[in-house]
Amino acid sequence: NAGVTQTPKFQVLKTGQSMTLQCAQDMNHNSMYWYRQDPGMGLRLIYYSASEGTTDKGEVPNGYNVSRLNKREFSLRLESAAPSQTSVYFCASSDGTSSNQPQHFGDGTRLSIL
Amino acid sequence: AQSVAQPEDQVNVAEGNPLTVKCTYSVSGNPYLFWYVQYPNRGLQFLLKYITGDNLVKGSYGFEAEFNKSQTSFHLKKPSALVSDSALYFCAVRDMSKGRRALTFGSGTRLQVQP
Repeated sequence: NAGVTQTPKFQVLKTGQSMTLQCAQDMNHNSMYWYRQDPGMGLRLIYYSASEGTTDKGEVPNGYNVSRLNKREFSLRLESAAPSQTSVYFCASSDGTSSNQPQHFGDGTRLSIL
Repeated sequence: AQSVAQPEDQVNVAEGNPLTVKCTYSVSGNPYLFWYVQYPNRGLQFLLKYITGDNLVKGSYGFEAEFNKSQTSFHLKKPSALVSDSALYFCAVRDMSKGRRALTFGSGTRLQVQP
């Protein structure tokens, strides 16, 4: 059971470079999410997709774009990376038919912007 | 706006002793509350949730949590700590009055269980 798979696991970028973080889930979940985790700040929501074909901004969307490619895949793009975007990025999914269902997380992408 | 507070950055406990990790929340409307655990270099794993009903919720790995509406708290507990419980613990809330399914997380509490 793969669950939520994120690629790559690690990446180092230079300021101004672009990059797409990939996320795929095999649980047939409707809802998918992107969070960033910074020390002492917990996880903050960047974007989410309640269902295929829809995306919405979260708490910290500036500097990011997302694409819900299909039901399985939800990608996060940094168009012009900045050092402030150095973080650990987590993708999650949940069964959107019931709002009390827990989210399932991938193992994260550790991103450093120099 | 909804928020979650975890007042302790770190909790230290001896193996075999009971443990408590504290969480308080602020939402408008009824809260849906969750606890997650994170091991090094891994994603978050779901432990337990409170939606409605019994104030004492039982979850994975022997953990339980007590919901207290008057104190707006949802503390995580375990009667007897194990060294393998050492990890980072996050409390989270979903505010259903806003119709959003995403979670608001606390800043996390590192649990250190000493042998």
